[in-house]
Amino acid sequence: AQSVTQPDIHITVSEGASLELRCNYSYGATPYLFWYVQSPGQGLQLLLKYFSGDTLVQGIKGFEAEFKRSQSSFNLRKPSVHWSDAAEYFCAVGANNAGNMLTFGGGTRLMVKP
Amino acid sequence: EAGVAQSPRYKIIEKRQSVAFWCNPISGHATLYWYQQILGQGPKLLIQFQNNGVVDDSQLPKDRFSAERLKGVDSTLKIQPAKLEDSAVYLCASSLSVGRYNEQFFGPGTRLTVL
Repeated sequence: AQSVTQPDIHITVSEGASLELRCNYSYGATPYLFWYVQSPGQGLQLLLKYFSGDTLVQGIKGFEAEFKRSQSSFNLRKPSVHWSDAAEYFCAVGANNAGNMLTFGGGTRLMVKP
Repeated sequence: EAGVAQSPRYKIIEKRQSVAFWCNPISGHATLYWYQQILGQGPKLLIQFQNNGVVDDSQLPKDRFSAERLKGVDSTLKIQPAKLEDSAVYLCASSLSVGRYNEQFFGPGTRLTVL
């Protein structure tokens, strides 16, 4: 069975600083990986996804993520954080079958200092 | 394009009571999902429908939870009777179809508090 670990429960960064959120997954086959963002009182929004090909993927809102098979990681990065990026971020792995089942990590809450 | 709609947004009940949540997916989306998100955790899939058939309900506590999607559009998730540990946000999502290439779009969720 697949699993996702997000080691950092909370992260605080200053506005304008760079950001990296960590994600480690466990899956027996080629993983399909996702990053979602959840703002207070709102549903999850897809930031980016990796299926195959280029291991560096670009997403919305200036985010990118790099798939590293050797480290079983899919870390999310942003070069310069804006106050509006404060939210909870979830990494997820998709099952490699006919369904579309997602397994989510526990999330990382990002706070942005002015 | 309208997103996934859910109601109510908030619900407070006492343990052993019953509760129902409603979801209206994006128009044309054949696949519908219900997730449970306990405070401090990521969402956990409870049940997945393709049209009005169940694709996966392996994580649905069937002794107290039930869900239906009778006409292949709207869906209802019911808890009867509720327990304290059912306090969570219940998220509904939809996608065009099953398969990993179909993005799931999430609704705002229903926050359930069981006292």
